[in-house]
Order: sequence, then structure tokens, then C-alpha cells
Amino acid sequence: AQSVAQPEDQVNVAEGNPLTVKCTYSVSGNPYLFWYVQYPNRGLQFLLKYITGDNLVKGSYGFEAEFNKSQTSFHLKKPSALVSDSALYFCAVGRSYNTDKLIFGTGTRLQVFP
Amino acid sequence: NAGVTQTPKFRVLKTGQSMTLLCAQDMNHEYMYWYRQDPGMGLRLIHYSVGEGTTAKGEVPDGYNVSRLKKQNFLLGLESAAPSQTSVYFCASSSRSYNEQFFGPGTRLTVL
Repeated sequence: AQSVAQPEDQVNVAEGNPLTVKCTYSVSGNPYLFWYVQYPNRGLQFLLKYITGDNLVKGSYGFEAEFNKSQTSFHLKKPSALVSDSALYFCAVGRSYNTDKLIFGTGTRLQVFP
Repeated sequence: NAGVTQTPKFRVLKTGQSMTLLCAQDMNHEYMYWYRQDPGMGLRLIHYSVGEGTTAKGEVPDGYNVSRLKKQNFLLGLESAAPSQTSVYFCASSSRSYNEQFFGPGTRLTVL
């Protein structure tokens, strides 16, 4: 079985400061990992993914994520937060040999204060 | 290029009524998905399809049925709505299973 955990319901950060949104996963075999963002009353938008290769993945809007196999983590990061980054962020995991389905985390609300 | 569209955007049903949610995509994607989003529970997969004419169960399929008669459309049906099906429903599509999913704007359903 596969699962993903986002341990923080909400993350608060001041504008200009670095941000981290945490994600840990459990999956048999090699994982496929995704981050999505949801703005109010909208569908989810893709940010970035890890399939294989470099452990540091760069995505949209200046976000990046680091795949850590030993810690089974895929934390989302940004060096300098913007107020416009405030949204709901979802981590998702799939299995490399059967990626028909993704399992989504419960989401983390990011609040960036001016 | 509209991407993924969902019809209707809002709907209120009474317990026991039936309805169909329509999802359409114009990206020629093989894979299509139906999710429900509930507070504190993230997105949960209801049913999905890996191609025209195919459907499969996700995490929470009970009380729902789906059909994929045309590649561009994926229908979600509620035969006898229950208050527990009050939720926001999202449709998504992707070209391959390991590629990013494109989401529709959602349908907010309330069952009284």
C-alpha cells in the first residue's frame, strides 16, 4: 500500500523568508512524487515532480523539492516567500511500476504574511 | 484550448435523488480521474480510467458509477445521493500515468 503524510496543517512564514512544506511517503518500490497547489475555489495546479535522477527538482513559481530516499521525504521549498504563494499545497505519491493511481496527502495551508 | 471542464459548477440534491457530473478534456489525454475533496481529508480517488471504454475503482468508489464512452468525456453518476456525498468533486486528466494531472475547476455538491 502507498501513503503520504503532510504533518503540518498550516505553515506561517513572513514574506521574504524561506519556506518549507513537509511531505513524507510510504510506498513499495520506487516512488513517483508530485507537488500541487490549490488557490481558493480553483482546481489543483501542478508544481513539480520527481520520477528519477537528480534529487533536487525545480518547478514552477520558484519552488523546488528535495527527494530524500533514506528519510522517505519530499519537502517543498522556496528561498523567498511571496504573499501570493499563500495557498493549499498537496503532496502526492505513486508507485513506479503501477502509477495509474496517485495518493494525495491531506494538504498544508501556507500563509505568507506581509 | 479549454483544458478540463466540469459541468455543473454547483448542485443541490435531496437525499435519494440522482445526478450525473460531466467532465470533458480537449488535450487528447488517455487517463481521466474523479476525486472528491473534503476538509481535512485531502483528495480521494473515486474512480479512474486508463482509456476509452475502461474504468477502475479508486479509494472510495461506493455509491458512485462512471462511464468513459468517448475518450474526451468521463461521467460520474450518483444513483441515490446521500448526505455523506456532500463534497467538492474534481475531475483530472493526464497523458500518461506518471505525467502531471490537469484538474478541472470543481463541482460543489450539497446533498440535503
